[in-house]
Amino acid sequence: EPEVTQTPSHQVTQMGQEVILRCVPISNHLYFYWYRQILGQKVEFLVSFYNNEISEKSEIFDDQFSVERPDGSNFTLKIRSTKLEDSAMYFCASSGLPTRPQETQYFGPGTRLLVL
Amino acid sequence: TQLLEQSPQFLSIQEGENLTVYCNSSSVFSSLQWYRQEPGEGPVLLVTVVTGGEVKKLKRLTFQFGDARKDSSLHITAAQPGDTGLYLCAGAGRAGGTSYGKLTFGQGTILTVHP
Repeated sequence: EPEVTQTPSHQVTQMGQEVILRCVPISNHLYFYWYRQILGQKVEFLVSFYNNEISEKSEIFDDQFSVERPDGSNFTLKIRSTKLEDSAMYFCASSGLPTRPQETQYFGPGTRLLVL
Repeated sequence: TQLLEQSPQFLSIQEGENLTVYCNSSSVFSSLQWYRQEPGEGPVLLVTVVTGGEVKKLKRLTFQFGDARKDSSLHITAAQPGDTGLYLCAGAGRAGGTSYGKLTFGQGTILTVHP
């Protein structure tokens, strides 16, 4: 069964460093998302991406964050200058078959980011 | 801002008992999804409900979407230790809107089923 994959599974970085989190969505899905979950808190929406551009973003997704689909398979989240409060589990999700755009979101296993 | 209140937050029951988890909102959602999440892993989809009043069954799990598409429930019959885990509800978009994304999650229900 197709699944969303994410790398790395864990990332430890120093405050102020740049990190890139990678995701391979389910092939032939059209919509891509990033969410985060701070330990003990709700899963929070960060950004949605469709047709090579951001379709919606949350207040959390400020200028330090960017997303990109550099090729036909990868979807990346970049944090330019990490802060301690960026420590969280980051989940990628994808949805939307061409014939059924309003489709369920499928989540990857997550990347646990720890900023020291 | 759309909010989804999930209750109870914790549920500890004996094997064989029935239970219900609720998700409530003042907002209308275009669909509602239920996930199960294991520690350190991503949410795994259980079911999506789309139509107001819709009922879906998955073995011993019954999911219902409210008539007004503002609330949903998950009912487990004859719970088993293997049902132990974190259950999440998540509402998608706004009814009549064009945004399919931006899932709004509830805070989750931690279910423990004792043998």
